[in-house]
Amino acid sequence: NAGVMQNPRHLVRRRGQEARLRCSPMKGHSHVYWYRQLPEEGLKFMVYLQKENIIDESGMPKERFSAEFPKEGPSILRIQQVVRGDSAAYFCASSPRASGGTDTQYFGPGTRLTVL
Amino acid sequence: DAKTTQPPSMDCAEGRAANLPCNHSTISGNEYVYWYRQIHSQGPQYIIHGLKNNETNEMASLIITEDRKSSTLILPHATLRDTAVYYCIVRVNSGGYQKVTFGTGTKLQVIP
Repeated sequence: NAGVMQNPRHLVRRRGQEARLRCSPMKGHSHVYWYRQLPEEGLKFMVYLQKENIIDESGMPKERFSAEFPKEGPSILRIQQVVRGDSAAYFCASSPRASGGTDTQYFGPGTRLTVL
Repeated sequence: DAKTTQPPSMDCAEGRAANLPCNHSTISGNEYVYWYRQIHSQGPQYIIHGLKNNETNEMASLIITEDRKSSTLILPHATLRDTAVYYCIVRVNSGGYQKVTFGTGTKLQVIP
């Protein structure tokens, strides 16, 4: 049973370009979470999505960042017009459900974004 | 939100038990304690979780005090591969789901 998949694992972009990060949740999981980790810091929640719906985007910057989780295919975190401050590790997690209970989130290996 | 407090770093001799403490004095009655770890540059790895009873799995044991204001993660026989940052997390109810908030964790160094 494959775990959470993220690609690419490493992404280099120049300032002003777009970055697209992909996340395929574990089989049977329909809830996806994105986190950002700056160097030497802890993980910060960005956004929580279910299929075709954004449930909580309270941690996502208002500008340049967007996320989607279409009915078919992986979840995409999109960063437009990247700046050097966007350089970080971006982790995706998935869970089978999210309402109540103790739904454990399982994390992918992350995408390391470097903005030159 | 219930906050957690962990020591920033700890050392443990290889083969010995590693006991990682966590304070969560404002935890609510229906909030769970979760532990994750992050080995250098990798994605966080789920370890264990519990509500009020002690829990054990193949990775670790979780001891939660009776008043639930603190807990201890125990790695019974630490190995060099257990060197990582360990995060103690209390699940927060927000908008009908439970947001996971990571703190700064404890950096565990297992020493040969």
